[in-house]
Amino acid sequence: GQNIDQPTEMTATEGAIVQINCTYQTSGFNGLFWYQQHAGEAPTFLSYNVLDGLEEKGRFSSFLSRSKGYSYLLLKELQMKDSASYLCGLSGGYNKLIFGAGTRLAVHP
Amino acid sequence: EAQVTQNPRYLITVTGKKLTVTCSQNMNHEYMSWYRQDPGLGLRQIYYSMNVEVTDKGDVPEGYKVSRKEKRNFPLILESPSPNQTSLYFCASRGTAYNSNQPQHFGDGTRLSIL
Repeated sequence: GQNIDQPTEMTATEGAIVQINCTYQTSGFNGLFWYQQHAGEAPTFLSYNVLDGLEEKGRFSSFLSRSKGYSYLLLKELQMKDSASYLCGLSGGYNKLIFGAGTRLAVHP
Repeated sequence: EAQVTQNPRYLITVTGKKLTVTCSQNMNHEYMSWYRQDPGLGLRQIYYSMNVEVTDKGDVPEGYKVSRKEKRNFPLILESPSPNQTSLYFCASRGTAYNSNQPQHFGDGTRLSIL
């Protein structure tokens, strides 16, 4: 089976850095996605990791350790508009994407 | 504009009254999928389709049906809705059926309330 864990909620200050962790157990692994979802809106793609290491995209970076079953999303120079839920999604095969429950991030002035 | 379109966006209905949520994509994508999203449970896959006339169950298929008669459309059918199907539903698609490295594009969601 597959299991994905993320913290339920996090808070951070505008301009700061925040790290959102995701741990997983799975019998099959192709890659790991991160999506952003503002309240009441569709999830939008942020990043994808298939190999170990850090992928950087502007203010957002994502890290993967396959041996440890661990990923994190790093958000730098936080802005108010970054207040959203962040979804960790495990690609375990060509046919499905399994999501964690999501981490709700609140950015305060 | 490339998009996944769901209709209706909101629906309140009663137990047992058949309903269909439509999903259409204009990107010529092979793979399409339906999810429901509930507080504390995240997105859970209901059904997916690898191409026309090829569909299969996801993790929570009970009480739902789908069809894929055309590549662009993937409707979700609730034959006899029940209150436990009250949820936020998302349709998603990606280009190539067998390339799981591609991100999925999500529709704007359909909020269903079954009374």
